[in-house]
Amino acid sequence: EAGVAQSPRYKIIEKRQSVAFWCNPISGHATLYWYQQILGQGPKLLIQFQNNGVVDDSQLPKDRFSAERLKGVDSTLKIQPAKLEDSAVYLCASSLPTSGLYNEQFFGPGTRLTVL
Amino acid sequence: AQKITQTQPGMFVQEKEAVTLDCTYDTSDPSYGLFWYKQPSSGEMIFLIYQGSYDQQNATEGRYSLNFQKARKSANLVISASQLGDSAMYFCAMMGGNKLTFGTGTQLKVEL
Repeated sequence: EAGVAQSPRYKIIEKRQSVAFWCNPISGHATLYWYQQILGQGPKLLIQFQNNGVVDDSQLPKDRFSAERLKGVDSTLKIQPAKLEDSAVYLCASSLPTSGLYNEQFFGPGTRLTVL
Repeated sequence: AQKITQTQPGMFVQEKEAVTLDCTYDTSDPSYGLFWYKQPSSGEMIFLIYQGSYDQQNATEGRYSLNFQKARKSANLVISASQLGDSAMYFCAMMGGNKLTFGTGTQLKVEL
């Protein structure tokens, strides 16, 4: 079974530029998550999709970050314009839908963003 | 609000020895789930073990066991018979309100 795919793996941009990350979840996983992991910290949830609808985007800086999952499969996370503090690893995860607390999330390898 | 605290930024253990990674949590939810993830230098998060708040027995998965003490709000991970491949960052996380909250992690180094 193929895992969660992300691209690119690394990206270096200047501040105020735009950047986009792509994620392809595990086949059949209706729930997709984007996390931001700043160096030395644990991942922080940015946005959660259930199929192509947003479940939680309370921690997404909406003035500069946007995400979409148009067909309920692939997803794109965009930053426009980027700031220095956006330097982080962006992790995508997916899971089967569940009504319980046991919700194993499968993570991709992440995209390491450096903003200069 | 949920909070996960991991007070050990780094740990060393000898190969074949057991090691305990600490995790304490705070929540007002009566039902919650506790997870441990491993993050090698390659970056992906690997699920290790899960404990539900109402589970009577401590969870075990191979060499991993979770020492769950509900009254103390602690969920420590025990790795038995450490291997060199266990060297990685370890994160404790809590599921509550449909959101997974992570701690700051513990860097484990296994030495010969």
